[in-house]
Amino acid sequence: KNEVEQSPQNLTAQEGEFITINCSYSVGISALHWLQQHPGGGIVSLFMLSSGKKKHGRLIATINIQEKHSSLHITASHPRDSAVYICAVRRETSGSRLTFGEGTQLTVNP
Amino acid sequence: DGGITQSPKYLFRKEGQNVTLSCEQNLNHDAMYWYRQDPGQGLRLIYYSQIVNDFQKGDIAEGYSVSREKKESFPLTVTSAQKNPTAFYLCASSPRGDSFYGYTFGSGTRLTVV
Repeated sequence: KNEVEQSPQNLTAQEGEFITINCSYSVGISALHWLQQHPGGGIVSLFMLSSGKKKHGRLIATINIQEKHSSLHITASHPRDSAVYICAVRRETSGSRLTFGEGTQLTVNP
Repeated sequence: DGGITQSPKYLFRKEGQNVTLSCEQNLNHDAMYWYRQDPGQGLRLIYYSQIVNDFQKGDIAEGYSVSREKKESFPLTVTSAQKNPTAFYLCASSPRGDSFYGYTFGSGTRLTVV
């Protein structure tokens, strides 16, 4: 079993829909990252969380440390949001190294 | 603007040949990392370096080698010993080995063995 599990693996939505991507992890962590990977392959860091909730534009990320769970929400989704969204954790025992989930492929149709 | 530059974007290699992937950063970051991505799998750590002239093996280091002679540069060599080298390779950096912040990724190199 992977230490970081994401769901769903694939998600198709219509423009304007509210989207939620989930991430569960089974290890103690010092931080959790949400990343966005576009078709060309480059990765952009969206959020780094150690507790609570963060918001940036239409993106909201939450984390529940006790339940070992995080969610990424996209409000008013748009076709340009289509990408792979990756959850990654920094384990308490591994310094700055990240352990990655397999990613969620999001497609937003116009 | 500061960032990470990986080159080339696409690379083709004949079986049995070594090949070196370049990663350069001008962010003044201490730590640098190499990850490998295969279809349907999460990124996996190959090697990382927290300081110049020092580096550690990650989870899948076999068949790879690195050097860290300069703070800005962390080249990855894929040797002929790597059994399945065709993959997407990502370089990343962060300000300090134990820092939360400023994790930055390059745009990747797609290596194909022919």
